[in-house]
Amino acid sequence: DAGVIQSPRHEVTEMGQEVTLRCKPISGHNSLFWYRQTMMRGLELLIYFNNNVPIDDSGMPEDRFSAKMPNASFSTLKIQPSEPRDSAVYFCASSPSTSGRPRETQYFGPGTRLLVL
Amino acid sequence: AQSVTQLGSHVSVSEGALVLLRCNYSSSVPPYLFWYVQYPNQGLQLLLKYTSAATLVKGINGFEAEFKKSETSFHLTKPSAHMSDAAEYFCAVSDAGGYNKLIFGAGTRLAVHP
Repeated sequence: DAGVIQSPRHEVTEMGQEVTLRCKPISGHNSLFWYRQTMMRGLELLIYFNNNVPIDDSGMPEDRFSAKMPNASFSTLKIQPSEPRDSAVYFCASSPSTSGRPRETQYFGPGTRLLVL
Repeated sequence: AQSVTQLGSHVSVSEGALVLLRCNYSSSVPPYLFWYVQYPNQGLQLLLKYTSAATLVKGINGFEAEFKKSETSFHLTKPSAHMSDAAEYFCAVSDAGGYNKLIFGAGTRLAVHP
């Protein structure tokens, strides 16, 4: 299996620009997570999808952030407009759980390193 | 609310020495506990997990962890460190009563020197 695929791996943009991060989960996985990793705040869950439906978006920092999962094999995280404080590594993870069972392992992608100037 | 505390943001050991990375959790319900490893510029990879079966859990690369309810701890150990173990290690807790939302600790960076 190819694992979780994220693109781009690196993104440098200027403040105010729109940024779109992409994720392809492992085939057959029903749960998808977006995380943000920063030095100051560590790893934070942004949003959780189960069967393509957003279940928990309480971690989304503000209205500038939005996430979609139009089908089981693709998800996007969009930031519009971007700000320097959004600079971080964004991870996508998937797990096979059809009902979000808490014991399930999450499989992480390699991350997208975002720098907003 | 659940939380995880990892004692020591940086740990340094000699090659061949015991590795001990500490993790304490707080949870009002029976927890599931995980250790993940992150190598430079990579995503997180599962080392091992506790899901209420055996309290001593063995993982990949020779690592193991013991769940101690009385101490609310889930420390990670490896008898003999290898240079390739240098990485950042994250402890995480999941609420057994909810979905598999992971709450991560701040991480411990392990350095292994010759």
